[in-house]
Amino acid sequence: NAGVTQTPKFRVLKTGQSMTLLCAQDMNHEYMYWYRQDPGMGLRLIHYSVGEGTTAKGEVPDGYNVSRLKKQNFLLGLESAAPSQTSVYFCASSYEALLYEQYFGPGTRLTVT
Amino acid sequence: GENVEQHPSTLSVQEGDSAVIKCTYSDSASNYFPWYKQELGKGPQLIIDIRSNVGEKKDQRIAVTLNKTAKHFSLHITETQPEDSAVYFCAASNPSNYQLIWGAGTKLIIKP
Repeated sequence: NAGVTQTPKFRVLKTGQSMTLLCAQDMNHEYMYWYRQDPGMGLRLIHYSVGEGTTAKGEVPDGYNVSRLKKQNFLLGLESAAPSQTSVYFCASSYEALLYEQYFGPGTRLTVT
Repeated sequence: GENVEQHPSTLSVQEGDSAVIKCTYSDSASNYFPWYKQELGKGPQLIIDIRSNVGEKKDQRIAVTLNKTAKHFSLHITETQPEDSAVYFCAASNPSNYQLIWGAGTKLIIKP
């Protein structure tokens, strides 16, 4: 039981490049989330999904897109990376909505130069 | 929208002493308040949570208290140990959406 996994662990992009971050969970959770973590700012929700085939915007969605084609996977895309998107990205999943524990992946450290 | 403030940003305590971290929230509709611990290089992990119909909850050396009237909640760690060194985050949720709003985090340092 791997829990929540994220790939890649590290990535360096040039401004304007695109990439996709992959999150996978093996706990059969309905809810999945993408956060970004910046120093002194805690975690901010980018997008989330309440089930396969659904996505919704969080607190800071601009510049990101997501897809949830399969229940176990949640993809975060950056179409045209900007230096302001330099951050650590965390994926999380939960059994149901917010009154339940969120399980986090190990994070992806992204640097945009 | 909801806003969560967390204090202090850094807390240094002697091993064996107690540590207290405080959070305030702005939305009176919030009804769920989890605390997460993040160790270096890892994702956050839930350590304790409290719902708005409860004033206090304990789990061994960890306790959380909630004051709904004042809109603040606190994490208490007693008999601190070196493995308690980490960054701790509070959060608050609003039932009208699926979002947790997070505090900025407290770096807890346990001095030997």
